[in-house]
Amino acid sequence: DAGVIQSPRHEVTEMGQEVTLRCKPISGHNSLFWYRQTMMRGLELLIYFNNNVPIDDSGMPEDRFSAKMPNASFSTLKIQPSEPRDSAVYFCASSLRADQPQHFGDGTRLSIL
Amino acid sequence: AQSVTQPDIHITVSEGASLELRCNYSYGATPYLFWYVQSPGQGLQLLLKYFSGDTLVQGIKGFEAEFKRSQSSFNLRKPSVHWSDAAEYFCAVGAAGTYKYIFGTGTRLKVLA
Repeated sequence: DAGVIQSPRHEVTEMGQEVTLRCKPISGHNSLFWYRQTMMRGLELLIYFNNNVPIDDSGMPEDRFSAKMPNASFSTLKIQPSEPRDSAVYFCASSLRADQPQHFGDGTRLSIL
Repeated sequence: AQSVTQPDIHITVSEGASLELRCNYSYGATPYLFWYVQSPGQGLQLLLKYFSGDTLVQGIKGFEAEFKRSQSSFNLRKPSVHWSDAAEYFCAVGAAGTYKYIFGTGTRLKVLA
């Protein structure tokens, strides 16, 4: 079975550039999550979608961050403009329902120079 | 306040030795409990989950965990550790009807040959 698929796996870009991270959830899952992982702050929930609708974006750090889910099989997380402090590993996860086990992708390691 | 505590940041065991990783939680509702494992450069993989019923749950890779309500604990165990078990382990708590997990800060396991 295909798991959660994220792309790219690694991204290195310069400060000020736009960054787009992509996620394909597991088919049939109605809940999608974006997380950020850093040494200092651990795993942080950025945004939660249910049936393609953003339900909770309280974890999005600031207006430079935006996320979309145009259909059940695709989501993007965009950072514009990027800053060095955005360097982290970004994970996408999906679950069958909101309170069911979350399945994580392998993440995107983002480095902003 | 809701929280998950993994008191051991690092644990080192010899290959073939038994393992116990501790997890304590503080949560207002009846918890759903999870253990995840993260290998370097990978996402979080679900090892096991507890929703209700038998308080001893079996997971993948030979792991088990025991829910002790009176101690607010959900410790992870393995009778004989393999070198490939070296990774970081995260305990998480959720609940019925909620999408939000609270993650512990992780325990990094080192296995000596």
